Amino acid sequence: KNEVEQSPQNLTAQEGEFITINCSYSVGISALHWLQQHPGGGIVSLFMLSSGKKKHGRLIATINIQEKHSSLHITASHPRDSAVYICAVLNRDDKIIFGKGTRLHILP
Amino acid sequence: DARVTQTPRHKVTEMGQEVTMRCQPILGHNTVFWYRQTMMQGLELLAYFRNRAPLDDSGMPKDRFSAEMPDATLATLKIQPSEPRDSAVYFCASGLALARGGARGYTFGSGTRLTVV
Repeated sequence: KNEVEQSPQNLTAQEGEFITINCSYSVGISALHWLQQHPGGGIVSLFMLSSGKKKHGRLIATINIQEKHSSLHITASHPRDSAVYICAVLNRDDKIIFGKGTRLHILP
Repeated sequence: DARVTQTPRHKVTEMGQEVTMRCQPILGHNTVFWYRQTMMQGLELLAYFRNRAPLDDSGMPKDRFSAEMPDATLATLKIQPSEPRDSAVYFCASGLALARGGARGYTFGSGTRLTVV
């Protein structure tokens, strides 16, 4: 069993839909990271959180430390949001453990 | 914006050749990671450094891979000899790890796409 599990693996939605990507982890962490990787390959950091909720534009990330779960939400999704979204946790030994990613495709 | 610079962006080499990838972390960052990304395995941690000292390189095939930080502005990942199965995108990331409980953030470089033929 992977230490970081993401769901769904693939998601196709229509433009404008509300998107939720989930991340569950089984190890103790000091922080959780949401990353975005576009088809060109570059990785961009979206959020780093250790508690609560963060919002940036149409993106919202939440984390529940007790339940070992985080969600990434996209409101009013747009085709340019199409990318792979990766959840990564920073464990107590300062290692980053990656999820397998969620491939999101937003149709116009 | 501060960025992590990786060179080269692309590298095609023949099996058996030495490959050196370079990473310039963001000035002031004290932690540097090397990752490899393949279609099959996704992102894998190869090695990481804190204040230039290697903390963990257990993800790296020791017989052919080596990672160093000759100074605070340069991290290198070397493969010798290279093999076709080393073909992947290699990412470097840097961040500032503060005292326990402090905030951390990591910035990724654009990656080096390595093809070994």
